[in-house]
Amino acid sequence: KAGVTQTPRYLIKTRGQQVTLSCSPISGHRSVSWYQQTPGQGLQFLFEYFSETQRNKGNFPGRFSGRQFSNSRSEMNVSTLELGDSALYLCASSSTGEQYFGPGTRLTVT
Amino acid sequence: AQTVTQSQPEMSVQEAETVTLSCTYDTSESNYYLFWYKQPPSRQMILVIRQEAYKQQNATENRFSVNFQKAAKSFSLKISDSQLGDTAMYFCAASGTYKYIFGTGTRLKVLA
Repeated sequence: KAGVTQTPRYLIKTRGQQVTLSCSPISGHRSVSWYQQTPGQGLQFLFEYFSETQRNKGNFPGRFSGRQFSNSRSEMNVSTLELGDSALYLCASSSTGEQYFGPGTRLTVT
Repeated sequence: AQTVTQSQPEMSVQEAETVTLSCTYDTSESNYYLFWYKQPPSRQMILVIRQEAYKQQNATENRFSVNFQKAAKSFSLKISDSQLGDTAMYFCAASGTYKYIFGTGTRLKVLA
């Protein structure tokens, strides 16, 4: 089975811009979660989707949003980018409890 | 609320030796899972081992095993016969209802 894929792998954006990240889960997995990883804060949970519905959300401002499509692919959007949004964004898919992670998207905001 | 605490920011071990990484957690959920993930310098997060909270038997995966003490809310990872490829960041995680909580990680360096 192919693993979790994330695109793009690297992104450089300017403050104030918006960005969309994409995640394709492992075939058959209906749950997709997103995390922000920074050196100072570690892994922070953003949100989780299951069958196109957001089931849980972390403590992030409304500038962070997501959605899931009928084929379980998920997108994450960050609007009005801030310098502090620079991070590795990880996507994980799951079906029976354990999560499998993608390689991440490294976002740099300048 | 769930919390996961890893009190060892960094550790090192000699190749072929055994090392134990500590993790404590707190959760109000009765049904939960515990995990150890490994993140090598390549940044790809890899599942090392998982433990269902309702199982008393400690999980093992080849050189990796856990010591799960449910009453103490402790979930340590033991790596036997350490290899250079075990050098990575190790994260302990707890899953509850639709949510994972990760610890801050332990950076493990295996020395030749």
